[in-house]
Amino acid sequence: DTEVTQTPKHLVMGMTNKKSLKCEQHMGHRAMYWYKQKAKKPPELMFVYSYEKLSINESVPSRFSPECPNSSLLNLHLHALQPEDSALYLCASSPGPPRVTQYFGPGTRLTVL
Amino acid sequence: AQSVTQLDSQVPVFEEAPVELRCNYSSSVSVYLFWYVQYPNQGLQLLLKYLSGSTLVKGINGFEAEFNKSQTSFHLRKPSVHISDTAEYFCAVSLSGGSYIPTFGRGTSLIVHP
Repeated sequence: DTEVTQTPKHLVMGMTNKKSLKCEQHMGHRAMYWYKQKAKKPPELMFVYSYEKLSINESVPSRFSPECPNSSLLNLHLHALQPEDSALYLCASSPGPPRVTQYFGPGTRLTVL
Repeated sequence: AQSVTQLDSQVPVFEEAPVELRCNYSSSVSVYLFWYVQYPNQGLQLLLKYLSGSTLVKGINGFEAEFNKSQTSFHLRKPSVHISDTAEYFCAVSLSGGSYIPTFGRGTSLIVHP
């Protein structure tokens, strides 16, 4: 089973709202990632958790706040977003170094009004 | 640091024709190589990967790729495409023994015409 699940599938929010994206995997993977993807572009790395610790933050604005409650779950908390933050948000997981193959979830389509 | 070049932003092809999507990488050390496919409004799905061993790698949906170290390439091929292969294809590279975070190419849009 190589499934990563993400909820919700679609999210529309205003600039003053607070919302959260959720990602889950049950493959025993120890690395989890958040990516942002704009149309017709490759995914852009936002955050990496390795063994439940934040290991990479790619200078993402503080209005995005990641959380890894346990080894299977990854959240992305959203607050005071801008319209340019509208994008597809992808979660991925991998077994953990040196096993690096990433498996992606279906994504959450976020629209900020 | 590694980099990936997908020279073709769009590849149009007729159904049942063969196709090759090109990927070249730059790295001073050994690499792992991946091809992902993304259908509209979906996530990325792993097509195939090269980690070590045989340079000809077979993946899902009839795709294959060949790792060519001397030409630093990892081109994706399919002998006969279907309408359902219409999608965005991303090549990715990560360093073996180093940072495991992959670098993605800009993507190639494969458009299969009937």
